[in-house]
Amino acid sequence: DTEVTQTPKHLVMGMTNKKSLKCEQHMGHRAMYWYKQKAKKPPELMFVYSYEKLSINESVPSRFSPECPNSSLLNLHLHALQPEDSALYLCASSAYRGLQPQHFGDGTRLSIL
Amino acid sequence: KQEVTQIPAALSVPEGENLVLNCSFTDSAIYNLQWFRQDPGKGLTSLLLIQSSQREQTSGRLNASLDKSSGRSTLYIAASQPGDSATYLCAVGAGGTSYGKLTFGQGTILTVHP
Repeated sequence: DTEVTQTPKHLVMGMTNKKSLKCEQHMGHRAMYWYKQKAKKPPELMFVYSYEKLSINESVPSRFSPECPNSSLLNLHLHALQPEDSALYLCASSAYRGLQPQHFGDGTRLSIL
Repeated sequence: KQEVTQIPAALSVPEGENLVLNCSFTDSAIYNLQWFRQDPGKGLTSLLLIQSSQREQTSGRLNASLDKSSGRSTLYIAASQPGDSATYLCAVGAGGTSYGKLTFGQGTILTVHP
């Protein structure tokens, strides 16, 4: 069983909808990450949070809005997405940013109609 | 910009064979290197993490080595089993202002047949 839990597992939304992806970990980790993975491609980093503060934003479009309300929870708010945003969105955590291994959830498969 | 390359792109072997997966990276100023496996439709499972000061790490039938100066890492799998079939990803951890960022290779798709 994965120690990083992502919900929902699947999401279908229209381009005008607003939805949120949720990620939780209860390992006491202080760094959390969002990745985007297109089919048959490796994951690409989107955001890094360290101690609930945004540390890295990989020039992600503003239609993706991350939020880290506490040390166990990471959200990704979605608005006005495009069909090319359809992908597997992966959340990861590590004890601290950088040195420790990253532990991944099973992802949310997002489809934009 | 860091670039990570994995060879081969795909590998099919009979059960019981020992095999080597290769990973190379262009910028040797790394903090660590992590090997993952990914099963279809699933997230990534961390296999081994090598810090930049280390030369190798072992876990069970897996052994990963790191030669930072030449920009190479290898993952050795001993006595392969059908359950090892998956995509194996190498990821390089950055330093500096990108501390914590992982850059992934394209992966090696491994099939172990009975």
